[in-house]
Amino acid sequence: EVQLVESGGGLVQPGGSLRLSCAASGFTFSSYEMNWVRQAPGKGLEWVSYISSSGSTIYYADSVKGRFTISRDNAKNSLYLQMNSLRAEDTAVYYCARVVLGGEGYFDYWGQGTLVTVSS
Amino acid sequence: AIRMTQSPSSLSASTGDRVTITCRASQGISSYLAWYQQKPGKAPKLLIYAASTLQSGVPSRFSGSGSGTDFTLTISCLQSEDFATYYCQQYYSYLLTFGPGTKVDIK
Repeated sequence: EVQLVESGGGLVQPGGSLRLSCAASGFTFSSYEMNWVRQAPGKGLEWVSYISSSGSTIYYADSVKGRFTISRDNAKNSLYLQMNSLRAEDTAVYYCARVVLGGEGYFDYWGQGTLVTVSS
Repeated sequence: AIRMTQSPSSLSASTGDRVTITCRASQGISSYLAWYQQKPGKAPKLLIYAASTLQSGVPSRFSGSGSGTDFTLTISCLQSEDFATYYCQQYYSYLLTFGPGTKVDIK
């Protein structure tokens, strides 16, 4: 069974940092492209970042470029999102999402999400 | 970035109704469009990809159509479990973008 389990969310002050993790199981993690998608409270879905299966190709939304860093450890079946210089507008539930095999950019599995709250 | 719009933003319907949601892209995206269903407190669930291909396990009352810039999601006979928010997403290019969502609630 495919499982994606996020962790690392919490309350952080503006300007602070947080590192999210996504533990993958039930599939060959190293074969799949992965993404982070977020959802502010009561709002819609916003794509945040993409990483290729090898980690060699990375993309970011303009809203997080220069502040967030996506990475992965295929030996540990894990995806990460390092978030620096956090702002109130980064408050959201963060989901890791698996891209369907073959590289088409839609998501066939999502984690349950981890809540990040940026507030003083 | 490609901008996605959806209409309506919300609708009220009864079980058994036929429901249609429209999604429009700011530029042509061929058929690189997916639809998701999201219930409160839950992660989104993939319903349709390639504009009209039903994801495995999704009931056949869901269907999608369109190409280029205009797309529709149709629920042919609304069931109680279909009350949720629906999002379209283009994957023609990174940056990926979602529509703002359409909330379907009970009349």
